[in-house]
Amino acid sequence: SDELTQPPSVSVSPGQTARITCSGDAFPKRYAYWYQQKPGQAPVLVIYKDSERRSGIPERFSGSSSGTTVTLTISGVQAEDEADYYCQSKDSAGTYVFGTGTKVTVL
Amino acid sequence: EVQLLESGGGLVQPGGSLRLSCAASGFTFRNYAMSWVRQAPGKGLEWVSAISGGGANTYYADSVKGRFTVSRDNSKNTLYLQMNSLRAEDTAVYYCARDPIAVAEYFDYWGQGTLVAVSS
Repeated sequence: SDELTQPPSVSVSPGQTARITCSGDAFPKRYAYWYQQKPGQAPVLVIYKDSERRSGIPERFSGSSSGTTVTLTISGVQAEDEADYYCQSKDSAGTYVFGTGTKVTVL
Repeated sequence: EVQLLESGGGLVQPGGSLRLSCAASGFTFRNYAMSWVRQAPGKGLEWVSAISGGGANTYYADSVKGRFTVSRDNSKNTLYLQMNSLRAEDTAVYYCARDPIAVAEYFDYWGQGTLVAVSS
């Protein structure tokens, strides 16, 4: 299956760690990418090639991979991190596939 | 500074047509594959279509194949999406996005989107 499955929601208190998983048969043979989308805004690339942080993205954002699951970790969550997060990879047809999306709520 | 600016969205009746445009600036447009990605109200991201830098290769999601056509004019630094036979389920914000590597890698820049509403 080309689907990428994410938990619908993750809730975390300020200063704690949020972990967002993304599971699919694309991994580990394909790279994972992560986007942050705040309400009313376009998505923003956060992590590329599984664990590379884009320039300008805070160090509290990190990516990792293990088997068929990739994870976006936000360490020391801040209120401004409240957003939807999407993973993305390449599907079996050689085109793009997005994960189902995870809403991160900062309590 | 890389900028992508979509236009052309609006309200259209089912079965109608619409052409979206994406004006690019701040980079050498012809060197990059480009895509359209859409997001229905309250839903997730869905890749729609992609085109290689030179325009020779195009790709479509099954949901739009045969109805949508992607093209580009590298002399005008503009990406297009011709949408025909529109359906209610095509209602979404349509984003254009740049792939920094090649088709089907990832997107490093996105436009702000243009809303397409299909309704009678």
